[in-house]
Amino acid sequence: DAMVIQNPRYQVTQFGKPVTLSCSQTLNHNVMYWYQQKSSQAPKLLFHYYDKDFNNEADTPDNFQSRRPNTSFCFLDIRSPGLGDAAMYLCATSRGGLTDTQYFGPGTRLTVL
Amino acid sequence: GDSVTQMEGPVTLSEEAFLTINCTYTATGYPSLFWYVQYPGEGLQLLLKATKADDKGSNKGFEATYRKETTSFHLEKGSVQVSDSAVYFCALSGGANSKLTFGKGITLSVRP
Repeated sequence: DAMVIQNPRYQVTQFGKPVTLSCSQTLNHNVMYWYQQKSSQAPKLLFHYYDKDFNNEADTPDNFQSRRPNTSFCFLDIRSPGLGDAAMYLCATSRGGLTDTQYFGPGTRLTVL
Repeated sequence: GDSVTQMEGPVTLSEEAFLTINCTYTATGYPSLFWYVQYPGEGLQLLLKATKADDKGSNKGFEATYRKETTSFHLEKGSVQVSDSAVYFCALSGGANSKLTFGKGITLSVRP
């Protein structure tokens, strides 16, 4: 089945130690999104790629970076994780139209010690 | 800007009870409307969607109708099960921008 895959499902890192989260998709969608979701809150968009074009949200901290080496893969890099970055990170994809459906992966739960 | 308002939660129901979760929206243009469900420790799953006025989305016994006159997209199910316990998010896209705008989400707990 076509799907969005995130690895790992659980990631533990130390305060200040860089971490990379991975997302892949078999839907061949143009757009890939990264969201941060904290407990009991709605997901918050960090940034997205439309093909190779990177679109950062104005309030996304510089500590968060992303790479999209090809259509299928997208990475979220957290350069120096702080305790406040502990959250669920969700990857989503869509074809790219204004009203198109976004399809989400299972998420990566990040713990910062 | 676009916004989605969901009723306050949490909601606790007995199995086989009728469910309504209210959702209203504010948006320019002709947005699509969505309900996503999130089970504990999981990502968001698309439950149903509607792309134009008077459309009814349905899936797994859940239904929601896109009401442009009342700017609403209320979620209903005739008989809930314990397995429906989850967080439900109402969302829209295609209003003022291409982003997905979420409501705050509501936790549903169904007891046997």
